Amino acid sequence: QLQLQESGPGLVKPSETLSLTCSVSGDSISSSDYYWGWIRQPPGKGLEWIGSIDYRGNTYYNPSLKTRVTISVDTSRSQFSLKLTSMTAADTAVYFCARLPLYNNFWSGHIDHWGQGSLVTVSS
Amino acid sequence: QSVLTQPPSASGTPGQRVTISCSGSSSNIGSNYVYWYQQLPGTAPKLLMYRDNERPSGVPDRFSGSKPGTSASLAISGLRSEDEADYYCAAWDDSLRGVVFGGGTKLTVL
Repeated sequence: QLQLQESGPGLVKPSETLSLTCSVSGDSISSSDYYWGWIRQPPGKGLEWIGSIDYRGNTYYNPSLKTRVTISVDTSRSQFSLKLTSMTAADTAVYFCARLPLYNNFWSGHIDHWGQGSLVTVSS
Repeated sequence: QSVLTQPPSASGTPGQRVTISCSGSSSNIGSNYVYWYQQLPGTAPKLLMYRDNERPSGVPDRFSGSKPGTSASLAISGLRSEDEADYYCAAWDDSLRGVVFGGGTKLTVL
């Protein structure tokens, strides 16, 4: 059974860089049928797609976050990671990692497995 | 302000049928698939409907999706107390070149 688990700091200082890792177990991260991605949810608010990556390392970012986001993949460890620079209070959120099925080699919003989420608070 | 517009709240009594709307435009719902997610309090979202009206295995047929034009709807029939949750729609937006979500609808079972 596929499982995704986020790990990383729960507290980040303003202007610093957030680093989160998602560990994938129960299925291969090297499948061409899926992307792997990050979605966040500020407390009490809605969902926001941050970005996605395929097993070859091709990345796709939310245009509104593109200048601050880097997503990478390590297939040997079955992990993919998120870096978000210049953190502010507005970046305080639960960060979810997820598996993103493709249809006709295109991802259009399908998210079939989610991690439990990792709360990241930005505060000095 | 979300690109996809959902009513902030909806409600119904057990056994009733309720619908949740998701309004978009020709660059998202009008030309791409719609997905629906259910989020119970304190948990990660769960896929409820994919490619407009396909149910993942395990999702009861009380849930159905439709997409007339640039709007989509999620219908829940035979409402049950365990359906009380937040519901989000999502779609790819050709102009923004990314996936956008609705602001979410909080469903209360009275």
